[in-house]
Amino acid sequence: QVQLQESGPGLVKPSETLSLICTVSGGSIGSYYWSWIRQSPGKGLEWIGHIYYSGSTNYNPSLESRVTISVDTSKNQFSLNLSSVTAADTAVYYCARHLRPSYSYSGMDVWGQGTTVTVSS
Amino acid sequence: DIQMTQSPSSLSASVGDRVTITCRASQSISTYLNWYQQKPGKAPNLLIYSTSALQSGVPSRFSGSGSGTDFTLTISSLQPEDFATYYCQQSYNTPYTFGQGTKLETK
Repeated sequence: QVQLQESGPGLVKPSETLSLICTVSGGSIGSYYWSWIRQSPGKGLEWIGHIYYSGSTNYNPSLESRVTISVDTSKNQFSLNLSSVTAADTAVYYCARHLRPSYSYSGMDVWGQGTTVTVSS
Repeated sequence: DIQMTQSPSSLSASVGDRVTITCRASQSISTYLNWYQQKPGKAPNLLIYSTSALQSGVPSRFSGSGSGTDFTLTISSLQPEDFATYYCQQSYNTPYTFGQGTKLETK
């Protein structure tokens, strides 16, 4: 079955860029929407944005000025870049797949295990 | 953004109890409402999508109902493995938003 795995640095300095990759295994990245979500004690679960396998994106307006999500279909991966980070960006970051092919308005049925990112000097 | 409000924030119950969690949206979201279960240190797990559709592999003791702005998740007979935190999430429009969570604890 499809599995997702987040990877990237666990510690990022303030003002730098947080970069994470989500690797899709057991299935193709094609035909689905893929999201990034983060969870912090202070803000709960927060949807960051999603990308379709074709490359079209949709971001949370609260983060849009700092977020870039991209896809590499040849590697079956999609990635998250969040620039100018502060301590408020400290969170567990998850990648997830939307349930129905070619349809973003559905729940997310496959999640990565999550990766903790701490913003600190 | 659509605000999602869950109640209660925490709930104490016993094995075998019937439990209901409520989620209210700040505007109508039709039936674009999903429920997740999360256990400590784990990712959220999709239980119910589109208000009432049971995700594959989820026990039938879980059910969902509602439409518009008011929704419920019901566990018909609580099992030991059901003690966890539950979140609702609207997928009506972006940015998708989650409720603050309901922590289900053993009485």
